[in-house]
Amino acid sequence: AQTVTQSQPEMSVQEAETVTLSCTYDTSESNYYLFWYKQPPSRQMILVIRQEAYKQQNATENRFSVNFQKAAKSFSLKISDSQLGDTAMYFCAFIPGGTYKYIFGTGTRLKVLA
Amino acid sequence: DSGVTQTPKHLITATGQRVTLRCSPRSGDLSVYWYQQSLDQGLQFLIHYYNGEERAKGNILERFSAQQFPDLHSELNLSSLELGDSALYFCASSARQGIGELFFGEGSRLTVL
Repeated sequence: AQTVTQSQPEMSVQEAETVTLSCTYDTSESNYYLFWYKQPPSRQMILVIRQEAYKQQNATENRFSVNFQKAAKSFSLKISDSQLGDTAMYFCAFIPGGTYKYIFGTGTRLKVLA
Repeated sequence: DSGVTQTPKHLITATGQRVTLRCSPRSGDLSVYWYQQSLDQGLQFLIHYYNGEERAKGNILERFSAQQFPDLHSELNLSSLELGDSALYFCASSARQGIGELFFGEGSRLTVL
């Protein structure tokens, strides 16, 4: 079965520091897409970053970057210069290419401390 | 703004009642997904429609049903409501099969009293 595991239910980080959220997944597919979503207290689901499995280069979006290790099936999210507005639940997700089935992890609750 | 519209944003009703949640996907998106999120929980996949056809079912109760109309909007019907059905219900859309991210609406918060 295809699964996504986020092993850190909760994390905290000091403002301006860097934090890394882990995500591992299990699939036998070679073509797939990976995502990190942020859910702030407003509960809106916001896409943070995406990565295509066929791309070796790690995706970056401003202060957010990923460490994509395809062989290890790992897709961690690094948040640099953490800001109070980064306080949210973060969900890792992936979809095998050509399918309809998005698979979400259970989430990591991140709190940024002033 | 994701481009996905959900109504109503908030809904309070009583046990045993029936409600309908509505979703309009992003313009041109053929796929609509419904998810349920109970308090402080993860996302539970309910059902997926593609261009009017049901494509996948998740943990959707028999009391729940959904459909996607020719104009691609979708409705999720919840009947014989129970206290445990109180949750945030998300609709999301995507452009093409298995490519790209889901775009989420703001959710419909259902409270069953």
